[in-house]
Amino acid sequence: GESVGLHLPTLSVQEGDNSIINCAYSNSASDYFIWYKQESGKGPQFIIDIRSNMDKRQGQRVTVLLNKTVKHLSLQIAATQPGDSAVYFCAEKGGSGSARQLTFGSGTQLTVLP
Amino acid sequence: NAGVMQNPRHLVRRRGQEARLRCSPMKGHSHVYWYRQLPEEGLKFMVYLQKENIIDESGMPKERFSAEFPKEGPSILRIQQVVRGDSAAYFCASSQRTSGGTGELFFGEGSRLTVL
Repeated sequence: GESVGLHLPTLSVQEGDNSIINCAYSNSASDYFIWYKQESGKGPQFIIDIRSNMDKRQGQRVTVLLNKTVKHLSLQIAATQPGDSAVYFCAEKGGSGSARQLTFGSGTQLTVLP
Repeated sequence: NAGVMQNPRHLVRRRGQEARLRCSPMKGHSHVYWYRQLPEEGLKFMVYLQKENIIDESGMPKERFSAEFPKEGPSILRIQQVVRGDSAAYFCASSQRTSGGTGELFFGEGSRLTVL
């Protein structure tokens, strides 16, 4: 079936290192992807998005890479900081469900070690 | 400019009672979405509403659950005769326009329902 999922449920990185969080999607019709950050007890917070006509998009300390050939999405965080510790979700639109709704993956818990 | 406001933040109900969760979208936003999140899982779409209209309720259980977004006042997610399986965090999000475009969603802090 159609799904958005993550390769690893947890990721631990040293403070200052770069983090890479991966996401796989199964529906080639997905045309819009978003990364959200969710801190404990809070709602998801938008980080960065990318359309399917792009391969890469950069923000402040974050980069999203999209490989449509293998249906893979990644979020790279440069110089990871303690405040980056959170659960990161990828979400997609245009494939799994209505174009009006986002379909979320199950999340990766990022832990930044001192 | 206040963000998406949800209340209550925490709600405890006994089996068979009713739960009402409220969501006030960001100022200027007329599109509201409700999502449910079980522990250590992603968010699952429930329903999408515009003022006075339900646009897509494909993710909402057919029984016991209902949602509204009246002309005046917050959006309400209502769960009747709650069961333990309804225990979850319920998130509301709003956007300025339909998410058929990008229509970035802004999420509230969530309402955490515990059914005893």
